[in-house]
Amino acid sequence: DAMVIQNPRYQVTQFGKPVTLSCSQTLNHNVMYWYQQKSSQAPKLLFHYYDKDFNNEADTPDNFQSRRPNTSFCFLDIRSPGLGDAAMYLCATSRGMTSVLETQYFGPGTRLLVL
Amino acid sequence: QKEVEQDPGPLSVPEGAIVSLNCTYSNSAFQYFMWYRQYSRKGPELLMYTYSSGNKEDGRFTAQVDKSSKYISLFIRDSQPSDSATYLCALPGAAGNKLTFGGGTRVLVKP
Repeated sequence: DAMVIQNPRYQVTQFGKPVTLSCSQTLNHNVMYWYQQKSSQAPKLLFHYYDKDFNNEADTPDNFQSRRPNTSFCFLDIRSPGLGDAAMYLCATSRGMTSVLETQYFGPGTRLLVL
Repeated sequence: QKEVEQDPGPLSVPEGAIVSLNCTYSNSAFQYFMWYRQYSRKGPELLMYTYSSGNKEDGRFTAQVDKSSKYISLFIRDSQPSDSATYLCALPGAAGNKLTFGGGTRVLVKP
């Protein structure tokens, strides 16, 4: 059974047109993460939520926003997508963050194409 | 210099061969070392982790850490076509479980 679900799996948007990617989880985990992974590159952490507390990485562009309306759902909003934002976007969850062994569980990702 | 470096491959081997993967890292503060496997069009999944230096074995997989050289390895014995995937090393930071990933090595095991 899927534990971290991402919709849609593929998203095509136009340059500058806002887009929202969705993630949901059935694990009841406290932490939800968003990563950006470009082709043949390492996943790059954009931000995470610990419960309702939002934590932005220092180098995440302002163009990227996130919302977490409840424990199960988290959204990634790209306000004005550029061609350079085409990537795989991965959602992950973990029970906590205090231990290095708090395993992160990843969803299948949403591949975003910007035309 | 990237914090974690990995050869992107692809690494192509015949079925049954030993697959050898490695990462180098620059920050000596890393204490835990993880390997994730990512199948095509899927998210990464944790394969195994090691703490400090030494070896750890899990079935056909062996993880090895040499902290003095800042070098970590993953060996896959008796490789199967189902092992074809991208393998990413990931290092949790000193505070909590935020991960620094390598770029991944793509492995192809040919029947």
